[in-house]
Order: sequence, then C-alpha cells, then structure tokens
Amino acid sequence: DQQVKQNSPSLSVQEGRISILNCDYTNSMFDYFLWYKKYPAEGPTFLISISSIKDKNEDGRFTVFLNKSAKHLSLHIVPSQPGDSAVYFCAAHGSSNTGKLIFGQGTTLQVKP
Amino acid sequence: IAGITQAPTSQILAAGRRMTLRCTQDMRHNAMYWYRQDLGLGLRLIHYSNTAGTTGKGEVPDGYSVSRANTDDFPLTLASAVPSQTSVYFCASSDSAGNRQYFGPGTRLTVT
Repeated sequence: DQQVKQNSPSLSVQEGRISILNCDYTNSMFDYFLWYKKYPAEGPTFLISISSIKDKNEDGRFTVFLNKSAKHLSLHIVPSQPGDSAVYFCAAHGSSNTGKLIFGQGTTLQVKP
Repeated sequence: IAGITQAPTSQILAAGRRMTLRCTQDMRHNAMYWYRQDLGLGLRLIHYSNTAGTTGKGEVPDGYSVSRANTDDFPLTLASAVPSQTSVYFCASSDSAGNRQYFGPGTRLTVT
C-alpha cells in the first residue's frame, strides 16, 4: 500500500519553462513533507520542505505547495534549467513516526536545452 | 568533510552468503537510517536508529539486521542473501529524528 504516490514516472520540459511535479498522500497523520533530488550514482539530496501548518514554502526557483484537504503537494521549478534534470522524490513523515520517512516512487525530470 | 560514506560501492553476491554493508558518518548525527531503492517503488526504509544503542524496524526489515554500537557507524547485515535483495542501498543520517536526512552515495548490491 503506497502511502505516498508520485503518479507521473517522468516529465519533460523546455529550459526556461515551469516544471510541476506532483505528489499525493493517503495518511492524514503526515505533518511534514520534503522533496529530495537525486542524480544518477549519487544519494538523494534535500531540496525543500513544508510543514502541514503552511500551504506554501519558497526557496529561490523552488516552491512547494501543500493542499491538505486534497492530500496533495506539488513542487514548482521556475525557470527550469538543464541542471535540474534528475529524479525527484517526495517524502512524508508524521509526528507519531518521527524520523521514518515514507517516499514516493520518484519522477524523472528532463529539462531540454 | 566526508559526510556519509558507504562501502562497498557495489557488490555481486551469491545467494545464501552473508554480507555486511558499511555506513559511517562524521557529522555526529544521532539518527541513522537504511533504505533500499527499487525501480517503481522509490526508497523504502529498512531499519533506523534514533540514537546509539537503539534500533527500530522500518517498512521492509525482513532479511536484514542492524546494530548501532556507536554514534558514527550503522552497519546493515544480510544474514543469508536472496535475489530479491538485489537493490541499491542508501544510508542516511539526521541530527535528530524528524529532521532532514543526509544520504550517502549508495551501495549497489546484486544477489545471484
């Protein structure tokens, strides 16, 4: 049973345009969400996070939106750059399971020059 | 600053053999984690340790064991490897449970 779902395995966008990566979750106890970025042959690296008390968090070109009623979050990258091409994982954990991250399946983003 | 190191980088292992994947961090983080990454499934937590001397089970603990004798090291042992344990294994750490996790470069394990 996948509690965190990334239904789009891949996404291709043109350089300079917006990339939108989506993530859905089923567990209403989740209260903290993170996005990780992974390049081939490397470990995931933290990108941005959001607490359930917020609906938006922004860091430079990256913005995460959280819609608690829909149990949905999205990562926006504007403008997209070729160096953003990577696999993006969303992850969640709830206060009752602090430290245990539940990851989605990942979305491979390709940004074309 | 090395962060998190994992060894070996890759390994081919015969089924039934015992194998220990090593993980060391130099950030003095209290919490450490082991994940496996499989295509279409993302990363799944195998075991975790919130502090030295304690361990806990994650989503997929069967067939794996861990120990946390000190703050820096968190080895993962496969007592008798099976082909379904073919995966990429990532170790991670955080300064405390619930904070952002830092990942190692991974170990690619193939069980034949």
